[in-house]
Amino acid sequence: GAGVSQSPSNKVTEKGKDVELRCDPISGHTALYWYRQSLGQGLEFLIYFQGNSAPDKSGLPSDRFSAERTGGSVSTLTIQRTQQEDSAVYLCASSSRTGFSSNQPQHFGDGTRLSIL
Amino acid sequence: DAKTTQPNSMESNEEEPVHLPCNHSTISGTDYIHWYRQLPSQGPEYVIHGLTSNVNNRMASLAIAEDRKSSTLILHRATLRDAAVYYCILRIQTGANNLFFGTGTRLTVIP
Repeated sequence: GAGVSQSPSNKVTEKGKDVELRCDPISGHTALYWYRQSLGQGLEFLIYFQGNSAPDKSGLPSDRFSAERTGGSVSTLTIQRTQQEDSAVYLCASSSRTGFSSNQPQHFGDGTRLSIL
Repeated sequence: DAKTTQPNSMESNEEEPVHLPCNHSTISGTDYIHWYRQLPSQGPEYVIHGLTSNVNNRMASLAIAEDRKSSTLILHRATLRDAAVYYCILRIQTGANNLFFGTGTRLTVIP
């Protein structure tokens, strides 16, 4: 079956431009997560959605970052006025349930590699 | 965040068993132990998880110490496709329920 799909797979843009990254989760998965991975680093949690709502936005690194999810499915991560330190691989994951005592595995896409010139 | 400690790197010969250790001395009673792995240029992949008892699945086995302060991921026969970074993660049972990734163990499999 189809896994988590992210687009584009690679994005190169100039400093100061806005970018949109897209995530298509596995069908029926209610929980969706965004992480980013800088070169040689571990994964950093950014935000999660339960359905269309994002109860926890504390991981977003600055107010230039925002995310939305519509129809309980596709999510978009937007970075405004990009900076060079935003260069990283942005990973999306989905799982069938979240909340207390959830241990459903998270299924990851292969990420969007973002390079800011 | 509950912290885990893993060796930065390990090597194994192909077709031999691999034991990947993880220390988590500050684990709380409700934290589950999860393992994910990340192959080059791919997103992380779920491997296995457990709470107190040892667990087996088609990919690996998880051995959990009686005091739960350490665990070991066991790959029974390493293949070249098992070369990856392996992350040991304590999954808290509140809030976002997200995964806190450390730096993991880079496993090299020698043919």
